[in-house]
Amino acid sequence: GAVVSQHPSWVICKSGTSVKIECRSLDFQATTMFWYRQFPKQSLMLMATSNEGSKATYEQGVEKDKFLINHASLTLSTLTVTSAHPEDSSFYICSAVLTSGIRETQYFGPGTRLLVL
Amino acid sequence: SQELEQSPQSLIVQEGKNLTINCTSSKTLYGLYWYKQKYGEGLIFLMMLQKGGEEKSHEKITAKLDEKKQQSSLHITASQPSHAGIYLCGADNRGAGSYQLTFGKGTKLSVIP
Repeated sequence: GAVVSQHPSWVICKSGTSVKIECRSLDFQATTMFWYRQFPKQSLMLMATSNEGSKATYEQGVEKDKFLINHASLTLSTLTVTSAHPEDSSFYICSAVLTSGIRETQYFGPGTRLLVL
Repeated sequence: SQELEQSPQSLIVQEGKNLTINCTSSKTLYGLYWYKQKYGEGLIFLMMLQKGGEEKSHEKITAKLDEKKQQSSLHITASQPSHAGIYLCGADNRGAGSYQLTFGKGTKLSVIP
């Protein structure tokens, strides 16, 4: 099946620093990638839609200046958490959309666990 | 916005037993996805259902979408410890012009050897 990777898998940082998370589709090209956030024992919440070559679309309540998304190529999207604070600690998961004919399927990365001290 | 309700929230079964997880939508589903997640890991794609009455199987897992396309069930036959994890259903919002997914809260499955 299609493989999506994320890097790093986990990161610990000090409050006020910025953290960049990469999402790569390894064996297919993805015009669209999604970034989700998951809190313990809760479901995934969509943060933003990342489109190659254009600006990301953010969900209501997600600060676009805090969560910078760059979809530089058809296989790479990055999420940068700027000036991270402890409340930003969470599990961040990306997905990439594989289009086959008329069917689009999302494949998810393994996630990045962020801990802000 | 579309809401998905999963039941039960958690399930503990003896190895070898069958089980069913349900996912109910507040709106007609354009597409319904089932994923499995182990705690702290990414999601593994299981199946996607699109047509009313559709049923798909993969190994010992069968998923169905009802005729009205508002409810899906995931059935595991002869459960094994490897089936343990969190099962999430996701709804395709493409009918609203976007194919982002909205997820249920998940069902945590534990299988006792």
